[in-house]
Amino acid sequence: EVQLLESGGGLVQPGGSLRLSCAASGFTFSKYAMTWVRQAPGKGLEWVSKISDSGGYTEYADSVKGRFTISRDNTKNTLHLQMDSLRAEDTALYYCAKHLTSTSGAGSPTQFDCWGQGTLVTVSS
Amino acid sequence: DIQMTQSPSSLSASVGDRVTITCRASQTIDIFVNWYQHKPGKAPNLLIYDASNLQSGVPSRFSGSGSGTDFTLTISSLQPEDFATYYCQQRYGFATFGQGTRLDIK
Repeated sequence: EVQLLESGGGLVQPGGSLRLSCAASGFTFSKYAMTWVRQAPGKGLEWVSKISDSGGYTEYADSVKGRFTISRDNTKNTLHLQMDSLRAEDTALYYCAKHLTSTSGAGSPTQFDCWGQGTLVTVSS
Repeated sequence: DIQMTQSPSSLSASVGDRVTITCRASQTIDIFVNWYQHKPGKAPNLLIYDASNLQSGVPSRFSGSGSGTDFTLTISSLQPEDFATYYCQQRYGFATFGQGTRLDIK
């Protein structure tokens, strides 16, 4: 059974940093691109960042570019999101998601067949 | 960015009803639209990918259609477990989601 378990969320002051992690199991992690999606309170889903299977290709939403860094450790089946210079508008439930197909490189279609339960990030003074 | 506009934003229906949710893209995006179901406190669930492909394990009462800029998700006969929020998502450019359609029990 595919499982994704996020961790690392919490309360942080504006301008602060957090590092989210997503532990994956039940599939060959190194063969799939991964993505972070967030949902602000009372709002819809927002795609945040994507990383290719090897980690060599990344993409970011304009709203987080230059502040967030996605990475992965294929030896530990773990996905990360380093979040710096946090703002109040980054407050959200952050989900990690597995891409549907095992496509190598930059071209993995952004469609997600398995999601974690999410980890809550609150940015407030 | 490609904008995805869903309608309606909310909908009340009864068990057994046929329901259609639409999504319009701000530019042509071929067939690159996915649909998700999201229940409170749960992870989102992929229903349809690339406009009309039913994801494995999803009941056949769910179907999708469309290409270019206009897309639809149809539930042929609502079941109690279908009351949730539904999102479309395009993958032609950087992924963007529609604002969601909340489906409530009438």
